[in-house]
Amino acid sequence: DTEVTQTPKHLVMGMTNKKSLKCEQHMGHRAMYWYKQKAKKPPELMFVYSYEKLSINESVPSRFSPECPNSSLLNLHLHALQPEDSALYLCASSQAGQAIYEQYFGPGTRLTVT
Amino acid sequence: GEDVEQSLFLSVREGDSSVINCTYTDSSSTYLYWYKQEPGAGLQLLTYIFSNMDMKQDQRLTVLLNKKDKHLSLRIADTQTGDSAIYFCAETTSGGYNKLIFGAGTRLAVHP
Repeated sequence: DTEVTQTPKHLVMGMTNKKSLKCEQHMGHRAMYWYKQKAKKPPELMFVYSYEKLSINESVPSRFSPECPNSSLLNLHLHALQPEDSALYLCASSQAGQAIYEQYFGPGTRLTVT
Repeated sequence: GEDVEQSLFLSVREGDSSVINCTYTDSSSTYLYWYKQEPGAGLQLLTYIFSNMDMKQDQRLTVLLNKKDKHLSLRIADTQTGDSAIYFCAETTSGGYNKLIFGAGTRLAVHP
C-alpha cells in the first residue's frame, strides 16, 4: 500500500476562519512533508517532520501551523489566511534517515481563501 | 546552488515516443526523480535514478542520465492519451531531510 490520503479534497474558507488539513499514511514512514503548489508552478516545500519532530520550516508564515500527533498523521492548522494562500496543499511521506528515500504524495487539498 | 530546468511544453502524436528533458546544476545531486501530475491531482512517482547510474528502464519508461552535462531525460515509448499530464523532474542531495527541488514541469499533450 503506497497510499497517502488527504482530507478534505476541497476547502473554501474566509480570512477570519480557522480550519485544518489532514494527511494520513500507513506505510510505516517516519518522515512527512507539507508542500504548497500554486497554479502552473511546481510544489514548494513548507515543512518536514522526521520521527514526529519538526525538522524543517521553510520560513513559512505563522498563520500555517503544522502538527504531527503520531507517526501516521500530519495536520496543517490554518488561521487568518490571505487570498494569496489559495493553492493546492500536498502532503507526502517517506522513510526517514540520512539516506535519500522516495517521497509518496497524496492527492492534495485545494484551498480557496475568500 | 540548486536549480532544475525543464522545457515547458511537448506535443506528440499517439503511438510515438516522447522525450522530456531536464537539466540540473547541483553536482552533489544524489537521486533524480520523475513525477507525473494529472489535472487536479497529486504527484505520482514514476521512476528515479541514482546519480551513479546512466540508464534505468521500467516498462515504457527509460531514464537517461548524463552526469557530465547534468542532463536527465525521460523517454515514454508508445505514448498514449492517458500519458497527457505535467511531468516534473526533481533532485535531492545528500545531507538529510530529503528536500526535493522541482523543475517547473513539462506539459505533455498527446494527440491522435
